[in-house]
Amino acid sequence: ETGVTQTPRHLVMGMTNKKSLKCEQHLGHNAMYWYKQSAKKPLELMFVYNFKEQTENNSVPSRFSPECPNSSHLFLHLHTLQPEDSALYLCASSQAGDGAAKNIQYFGAGTRLSVL
Amino acid sequence: AQKITQTQPGMFVQEKEAVTLDCTYDTSDPSYGLFWYKQPSSGEMIFLIYQGSYDQQNATEGRYSLNFQKARKSANLVISASQLGDSAMYFCAMREGPNFGNEKLTFGTGTRLTIIP
Repeated sequence: ETGVTQTPRHLVMGMTNKKSLKCEQHLGHNAMYWYKQSAKKPLELMFVYNFKEQTENNSVPSRFSPECPNSSHLFLHLHTLQPEDSALYLCASSQAGDGAAKNIQYFGAGTRLSVL
Repeated sequence: AQKITQTQPGMFVQEKEAVTLDCTYDTSDPSYGLFWYKQPSSGEMIFLIYQGSYDQQNATEGRYSLNFQKARKSANLVISASQLGDSAMYFCAMREGPNFGNEKLTFGTGTRLTIIP
């Protein structure tokens, strides 16, 4: 079983649909992240959760709504998206807050989203 | 200003040769961490190597080593004896500040490495 699992791997949705992306980590970490990777742009951090609490919202539009019910699961709820939201959405987890640790973020394989 | 700069959009390297991927960074924080990730066409970002700003030695992990030149703010990745499976996008990233809850990583734009048989 891989450390960070994302489902679905591919998603095609219309602008009026509502869908959710799921991320699950099996590494015992306390922090989880959503990133957006668009073509020819650096990876953009969207949200950070520490111990289930959202600690970072990087000016993300409200049509993206994260949910972290526990430290192992992270969701990204999508509604009324725009074509420019088409991208690879990556989830990551890490052990954060320990000053002696490296805080390496481990990523899932991503969900490739296409908005029509 | 860019915090992470990767100046090589693409590189072609003969199999079994060594390759150096460039990364420069910009921060005024004395405590920071530098990371390299590999992203194959499958999409997953795979952690390769880490260098802390206070680490005295350059990091090494198998065929990967990090050429850390602090004064020049440079953290180049060196892959020795390249293999066909090394073909992928490579990203340099930085965490500013110690790991006391500031977990944000800033990524560069990446270098696409292609290994030629």
